[in-house]
Amino acid sequence: AQKVTQAQTEISVVEKEDVTLDCVYETRDTTYYLFWYKQPPSGELVFLIRRNSFDEQNEISGRYSWNFQKSTSSFNFTITASQVVDSAVYFCALSEAGTGFQKLVFGTGTRLLVSP
Amino acid sequence: GAGVSQSPSNKVTEKGKDVELRCDPISGHTALYWYRQSLGQGLEFLIYFQGNSAPDKSGLPSDRFSAERTGGSVSTLTIQRTQQEDSAVYLCASSLRASGVANTGELFFGEGSRLTVL
Repeated sequence: AQKVTQAQTEISVVEKEDVTLDCVYETRDTTYYLFWYKQPPSGELVFLIRRNSFDEQNEISGRYSWNFQKSTSSFNFTITASQVVDSAVYFCALSEAGTGFQKLVFGTGTRLLVSP
Repeated sequence: GAGVSQSPSNKVTEKGKDVELRCDPISGHTALYWYRQSLGQGLEFLIYFQGNSAPDKSGLPSDRFSAERTGGSVSTLTIQRTQQEDSAVYLCASSLRASGVANTGELFFGEGSRLTVL
């Protein structure tokens, strides 16, 4: 069965600090996708990134970077030089070939609070 | 509008009443999804539509829940005989298509309908 674990319930940092959000997943499928979504206070989930199980290259997008390691079943997300606007709940999610990639299984989310 | 629109944004109802939640996806998006977000269960998949058909409704928690989509556009999620455990935020999302690997996985979510059952 598939499962996504985000052990950090809430993280508080001061602006300009770097912060890493952890994500550990479980799946029996060899083909799967991993995602990160951001949920700001307005409520709508915003897509950040998708990685497939065959591509372990790390990704960097501005202040955001993602580290995918199949050996530890982890897909961690780092925000460099955090800003107040980064305050949100961040969700890691998984979709598998077995469900046609249509069903996202989400972790419980990590609330990030960035104070000035 | 430009994004996924959901209505009502807030709904308070009494236990035992029926409720309907509406979702207007982004124009041209053929795939539509319903998720539920609650304190106890986190974000759960309910159902998805490709066009007007629902290939996967495995996440609907009971037969009190049903959903339909008409004209490949608007979708309605209906909860009959609401119970207190139905209280949650119901999120709708759409994407260009639901074609598995070819799908970028970028779902566009609405702001949700918050349902409170007294």
